[in-house]
Amino acid sequence: AQSVTQLDSHVSVSEGTPVLLRCNYSSSYSPSLFWYVQHPNKGLQLLLKYTSAATLVKGINGFEAEFKKSETSFHLTKPSAHMSDAAEYFCVVSDRISSASKIIFGSGTRLSIRP
Amino acid sequence: ETGVTQTPRHLVMGMTNKKSLKCEQHLGHNAMYWYKQSAKKPLELMFVYSLEERVENNSVPSRFSPECPNSSHLFLHLHTLQPEDSALYLCASGDRGVTEAFFGQGTRLTVV
Repeated sequence: AQSVTQLDSHVSVSEGTPVLLRCNYSSSYSPSLFWYVQHPNKGLQLLLKYTSAATLVKGINGFEAEFKKSETSFHLTKPSAHMSDAAEYFCVVSDRISSASKIIFGSGTRLSIRP
Repeated sequence: ETGVTQTPRHLVMGMTNKKSLKCEQHLGHNAMYWYKQSAKKPLELMFVYSLEERVENNSVPSRFSPECPNSSHLFLHLHTLQPEDSALYLCASGDRGVTEAFFGQGTRLTVV
């Protein structure tokens, strides 16, 4: 069975400094991995996805994530944080079930940005 | 806009009421999902439908009853809910050839 663990429930960084949000996964198959962002009172937005192509994935708003099979990790990074990046971030694993995908969310990491 | 629309956006209901949540997608997807998002808890996958057939039911209490009449519409029928069922209910859709999901804005449900 697949699962995903987000190692930090809350991360706080200063504006302009790097962001690192950690994620480890467990999957029986070759998984697809995603990062979603949820701003307050907004829906979930896809940031980026890994589907067995390049291991370094670039997403929207300057975010990147690197798939490391040996470490079963898919950490999210950004070189320089903006105030608008403050939100909840979810690491997600997706595996096939029947004709659909079973999409499992991590517990989320709340990112706060200090001025 | 993601192409997935949920109504209503907010719902307050008593424990003896019956209500339904509606989800509609115009993306041509053939898989649809219900998730529950409670405070301080991870998103919980409730139901998965593929080609209008339920393919996953994650031990959800029977007071939640899903219905998928066609590939564009998904409902969640609610009856005799408990206060702990208060949460944000999110609908999503996806395509067989692509594994990510596209989410609606959610319905904020409060059970009183």
